[in-house]
Amino acid sequence: GAGVSQSPRYKVAKRGQDVALRCDPISGHVSLFWYQQALGQGPEFLTYFQNEAQLDKSGLPSDRFFAERPEGSVSTLKIQRTQQEDSAVYLCASSLVSLTSSPVGRETQYFGPGTRLLVL
Amino acid sequence: GNSVTQMEGPVTLSEEAFLTINCTYTATGYPSLFWYVQYPGEGLQLLLKATKADDKGSNKGFEATYRKETTSFHLEKGSVQVSDSAVYFCALMTGGGADGLTFGKGTHLIIQP
Repeated sequence: GAGVSQSPRYKVAKRGQDVALRCDPISGHVSLFWYQQALGQGPEFLTYFQNEAQLDKSGLPSDRFFAERPEGSVSTLKIQRTQQEDSAVYLCASSLVSLTSSPVGRETQYFGPGTRLLVL
Repeated sequence: GNSVTQMEGPVTLSEEAFLTINCTYTATGYPSLFWYVQYPGEGLQLLLKATKADDKGSNKGFEATYRKETTSFHLEKGSVQVSDSAVYFCALMTGGGADGLTFGKGTHLIIQP
């Protein structure tokens, strides 16, 4: 079956431009996560959705970052007025059940290939 | 807060050598521990996990044991292959909150024939 897909795979933006990154999770997966991975670093948590509800956005680095999942499936991460420090790979992951209903760590997160964003 | 520290790379080994990649952690609460692998040009994949102390996760010849007393989760493999060349990430997740995985910086493993 299809895994997690992300689009675009690569995005070059001029500083100040708005960008939108799309994530298609595995069908039926309740949980969806966004991570940011800077060059040479491990991924860092940005935000978490349980179906359409955004339960945690504590990792979003500024109010220029906004994420939504209006119908509980596809999610979009939007970055307004991009800055050079936003350059990174943005990873999406999904898992079958919710974090709040499943013992921690029981459910595997499946990652997409990522979107590599370069802000010039 | 939560954090994961893993050995710096790159780690270069010859085929059939023994592999250890060290990982230690600090966490609030009682975490589950993971190793993820990223092969060239591919996304992150779960390699193995352990959810309580003294559990051993294993997959594809790799093993790691959850050591609460030393807050460690070292990755080992007895005989590596060229196809094991990849970046390996140690990670943890704690219960009670929807805050995702906390990752280490990753260790780039290079296996030479």
